[in-house]
Amino acid sequence: DGGITQSPKYLFRKEGQNVTLSCEQNLNHDAMYWYRQDPGQGLRLIYYSQIVNDFQKGDIAEGYSVSREKKESFPLTVTSAQKNPTAFYLCASSIGKGWSTEAFFGQGTRLTVV
Amino acid sequence: RKEVEQDPGPFNVPEGATVAFNCTYSNSASQSFFWYRQDCRKEPKLLMSVYSSGNEDGRFTAQLNRASQYISLLIRDSKLSDSATYLCVVNPLGNTPLVFGKGTRLSVIA
Repeated sequence: DGGITQSPKYLFRKEGQNVTLSCEQNLNHDAMYWYRQDPGQGLRLIYYSQIVNDFQKGDIAEGYSVSREKKESFPLTVTSAQKNPTAFYLCASSIGKGWSTEAFFGQGTRLTVV
Repeated sequence: RKEVEQDPGPFNVPEGATVAFNCTYSNSASQSFFWYRQDCRKEPKLLMSVYSSGNEDGRFTAQLNRASQYISLLIRDSKLSDSATYLCVVNPLGNTPLVFGKGTRLSVIA
């Protein structure tokens, strides 16, 4: 079945540690995105990538880093510079071409700083 | 003005009721529009796209008003299973990330 897979589903991090969230898709989509959602809040864009080896900062990129070495993969690293990392992280992908491109989401990763 | 604005609700309606949500967007050049549904602690899922001519899918009807820059979602004969948060989503330009509203929470009560 085609889809987007995020792992792990739950992640606990100690303060000061970097952690990497995985996102893989087999939909052959060009574009991939990372969003953050806090309780009772909307989705905020962290980073996005329209093509392999290229990515752009979203609205809240500080304290995060990404890579796009393969079309299928778009991992997100939450660095120790991110002061409030506890949140629900959602990865999405879309065809990336044309004007009507809905996004499809993975099941998300809940990150908690302990 | 925020890019995409929605009434956060909650909308508490009885089963069988008709309920409507509106969403306004600021960028008049926006090209495509969607409604997503998000259940508690789950990922958003596409409910329906919104076309200029409007579209209907069973009990759900979506409309677009470009002149006033808003889209709407109408749910008829509400079911308990319709309880969720409904996200208004706008694609400002052809090849840019989608912009999400904060969502409208719906609770359908027996």
